[in-house]
Amino acid sequence: GDSVTQTEGLVTLTKGLPVMLNCTYQTTYSPFLFWYVQHLNEAPKLLLKSSTDNKRTEHQGFYATLHKSSSSFHLQKSSVQLSDSALYFCALRVSNYNVLYFGSGTKLTVEP
Amino acid sequence: NSKVIQTPRYLVKGQGQKAKMRCIPEKGHPVVFWYQQNKNNEFKFLINFQNQEVLQQIDMTEKRFSAECPSNSPCSLEIQSSEAGDSALYLCASSLHTEVFFGKGTRLTVV
Repeated sequence: GDSVTQTEGLVTLTKGLPVMLNCTYQTTYSPFLFWYVQHLNEAPKLLLKSSTDNKRTEHQGFYATLHKSSSSFHLQKSSVQLSDSALYFCALRVSNYNVLYFGSGTKLTVEP
Repeated sequence: NSKVIQTPRYLVKGQGQKAKMRCIPEKGHPVVFWYQQNKNNEFKFLINFQNQEVLQQIDMTEKRFSAECPSNSPCSLEIQSSEAGDSALYLCASSLHTEVFFGKGTRLTVV
């Protein structure tokens, strides 16, 4: 079945350093990949989306490239800020009517 | 800001009690989802609707929950007999195309 894997449960970084959060997926269909960010007591918010192979998508300083050859959609940022501390979820959908499948999430903590 | 509105934000129920939560999806979105997010922040899909019709649901939802999305009224999710393991954040979401937008959730505590 369809699934998403995030390998890092916890990531702690110092402000200003780069970050990469891993996301791989499994599906036999044409995928739509998403990154959501969830701050404490807030709704999960859509951060990035992609369905185009090998095209980089960017938003709010974060970026990711969907690589269908490796079934990956890693999230990156060149310089993290304190306000980036949150939960990050990678998610997969294969149509407008299907379930959105989530990875287990990565808690990013940025320290001064 | 999220345009999916969930009420109440917090809900406390005793074991065996019914627990009902409501959701107003974003205007014009035909597909509505309910997810359960546990204390480890993991998402569990519960049920989704297209307009008033159920698209998919898991076994637990079919057996223990009552859910509906009537036209011109909020969607609702009700646990028929709350258990301690139901304590979680219940997230409603809606979509028009492939992007899915979430509400802030109802945090249920079963005591």
